[in-house]
Amino acid sequence: GQQLNQSPQSMFIQEGEDVSMNCTSSSIFNTWLWYKQDPGEGPVLLIALYKAGELTSNGRLTAQFGITRKDSFLNISASIPSDVGIYFCAGRYVSSNTGKLIFGQGTTLQVKP
Amino acid sequence: GAVVSQHPSWVICKSGTSVKIECRSLDFQATTMFWYRQFPKQSLMLMATSNEGSKATYEQGVEKDKFLINHASLTLSTLTVTSAHPEDSSFYICSLAGGTYEQYFGPGTRLTVT
Repeated sequence: GQQLNQSPQSMFIQEGEDVSMNCTSSSIFNTWLWYKQDPGEGPVLLIALYKAGELTSNGRLTAQFGITRKDSFLNISASIPSDVGIYFCAGRYVSSNTGKLIFGQGTTLQVKP
Repeated sequence: GAVVSQHPSWVICKSGTSVKIECRSLDFQATTMFWYRQFPKQSLMLMATSNEGSKATYEQGVEKDKFLINHASLTLSTLTVTSAHPEDSSFYICSLAGGTYEQYFGPGTRLTVT
C-alpha cells in the first residue's frame, strides 16, 4: 500500500535532548496526524493538524502542517525515558472523503537515561 | 478522544480454523471503523473500511472472503479471519473515525496461527 516518507527511521538520544522527525508526501494532504505506539499497543493520537502552516503543541510536543501541504514535522523537547516508542505520521489526501489515512514507516525513538 | 476496545487481546488458533476479533467503541457512535494489520517492525497497513449497516470496502490485495467484516451497530465491528494460516499471524488493530477525520485506535489483537 501507499506510505509516506518518514525520517529518520530510528533515533537514539540522550535524555534531555530535543528530537525532530518529519514526513513528506508527493501528494497534497488536508490532514496530518501524529501518533505514538508503545510495544504491543495500538497507536495513540498525539497531535492533529488541519490547516497549512498550522503549528500545534501538546506539552513538550510540537507539530506543524507544512505550507506546501506535502510535509509535516514533529518536535519533542527535553526528551524523557517515557518518550521511547514508535512515532507515526499519518495523512489524509485532499481527494479522500472516506477518512482513510496513509501512514509513514515510523520513527523508533530510544532515550538513554 | 474516543475510547476503543478490542477482544481478545491475543489469540492462538490452529491452522484452518476461524477467529473472530471484536472492536467496540465505548463512548462514540462510529459510523466508520477501520481495520489494520501490522507485522513486526512495520507500519500499519489498512485492510478495510467498515461502514455501519453496509458492506465493508477492502483495500487492494485483501481477500474479502478470507477477512469477513461486519459492522452491525454504531459501537461494534467484527473481523473474522477464516481458515487461518500461519501467514495470517499478525497484530490486528481497529480504529474509528472521529468527527474531524482523526482516528482513534484500539489496543490491538495479537493473532498467532500454529
